[in-house]
Amino acid sequence: NAGVTQTPKFRVLKTGQSMTLLCAQDMNHEYMYWYRQDPGMGLRLIHYSVGEGTTAKGEVPDGYNVSRLKKQNFLLGLESAAPSQTSVYFCASSETGTSSHPQYFGPGTRLTVL
Amino acid sequence: GQNIDQPTEMTATEGAIVQINCTYQTSGFNGLFWYQQHAGEAPTFLSYNVLDGLEEKGRFSSFLSRSKGYSYLLLKELQMKDSASYLCAVKDSNYQLIWGAGTKLIIKP
Repeated sequence: NAGVTQTPKFRVLKTGQSMTLLCAQDMNHEYMYWYRQDPGMGLRLIHYSVGEGTTAKGEVPDGYNVSRLKKQNFLLGLESAAPSQTSVYFCASSETGTSSHPQYFGPGTRLTVL
Repeated sequence: GQNIDQPTEMTATEGAIVQINCTYQTSGFNGLFWYQQHAGEAPTFLSYNVLDGLEEKGRFSSFLSRSKGYSYLLLKELQMKDSASYLCAVKDSNYQLIWGAGTKLIIKP
């Protein structure tokens, strides 16, 4: 039982390049989330999904797109990377979103945009 | 706006007790979570409070006062491995988690 996994762990991009971050969970959770974590700030929600085939915008969605074609996978795309997107990206999942079920996090992706 | 306040950094001694405070102002309240995050690692779930009072889990306890918009995490018998950041998060009226910036706890021998 691997929990939540993320690939890649590290990435360096040049401004304007694109990339996709992959998140996978093996806990059969309905809800999945993408956050970014920047120094001195709390985790900020980028996009989330309440089930297979659904996505919704979070607090900071601009410049990102997501897809949830399979229940276990949640992809985060950067179409044209900008230096402001340099951050640590965490994926999380939870059994549901409306109860006491906690979110479980992947190990993170450290992205640098030059 | 929504706001979660925590001290930026705290220092404590191995074997002692430390209390990390969290105050919140959110649109609605559907529970408060505490997470631990070691440097360079993912946040891991510690505790959940939705009713007023104290929840105890081994060396860690978490307290909630909804009327005061206040919570604290109490760590007893501190160990060096407790050196980490502690994140407070509140689930708002839309069931989204609003996160504090975290409290970095430094344990000295």
